[in-house]
Amino acid sequence: EAGVAQSPRYKIIEKRQSVAFWCNPISGHATLYWYQQILGQGPKLLIQFQNNGVVDDSQLPKDRFSAERLKGVDSTLKIQPAKLEDSAVYLCASFGRVTDTQYFGPGTRLTVL
Amino acid sequence: AQSVAQPEDQVNVAEGNPLTVKCTYSVSGNPYLFWYVQYPNRGLQFLLKYITGDNLVKGSYGFEAEFNKSQTSFHLKKPSALVSDSALYFCAVRAQNGGFKTIFGAGTRLFVKA
Repeated sequence: EAGVAQSPRYKIIEKRQSVAFWCNPISGHATLYWYQQILGQGPKLLIQFQNNGVVDDSQLPKDRFSAERLKGVDSTLKIQPAKLEDSAVYLCASFGRVTDTQYFGPGTRLTVL
Repeated sequence: AQSVAQPEDQVNVAEGNPLTVKCTYSVSGNPYLFWYVQYPNRGLQFLLKYITGDNLVKGSYGFEAEFNKSQTSFHLKKPSALVSDSALYFCAVRAQNGGFKTIFGAGTRLFVKA
């Protein structure tokens, strides 16, 4: 079974620029999450999708962050414009109902200069 | 509200000795509890989970965890540590009626010395 795929793995941008991350969950997983992991901290949930609908985006900074999952499969997370404090690893995860477990992708490390 | 506390930023142990990484939680109702491990430049890898049943849960790579409802704890243990166990460990909790929302602790760095 293929795991959660994410791209790019690394991205360096200057502040005020835009950036987008892509995630492809495990096949058949209806629930998809985006987390932000700042160095030295645990993952913080940004947004949770169930199929193509948003379940929880209470911690998503909506003035600059957006996410979509139009066809209920892969998803994109966008930051526009980026700030220095957005430097972090962005993790995508999907949830398997059979195993009742979240599976994580390798993450995208974003550096904002 | 759900929360997870990992009281130790770092745990140091000698290879071959037993290790314990501590976790306490707060959740309304019955919890689902998880441990994940993160190696440098990698995503989180699932180790083990507690859903219901036996309080001692066995997982990957020889790790186990004990659920203690009265102490609201879910400590990760291994009888004999390996240098390769050195990594960042995260405890996580989800309420059984929480709609699959999982809260993670801040993480504990485990350092196993040869």
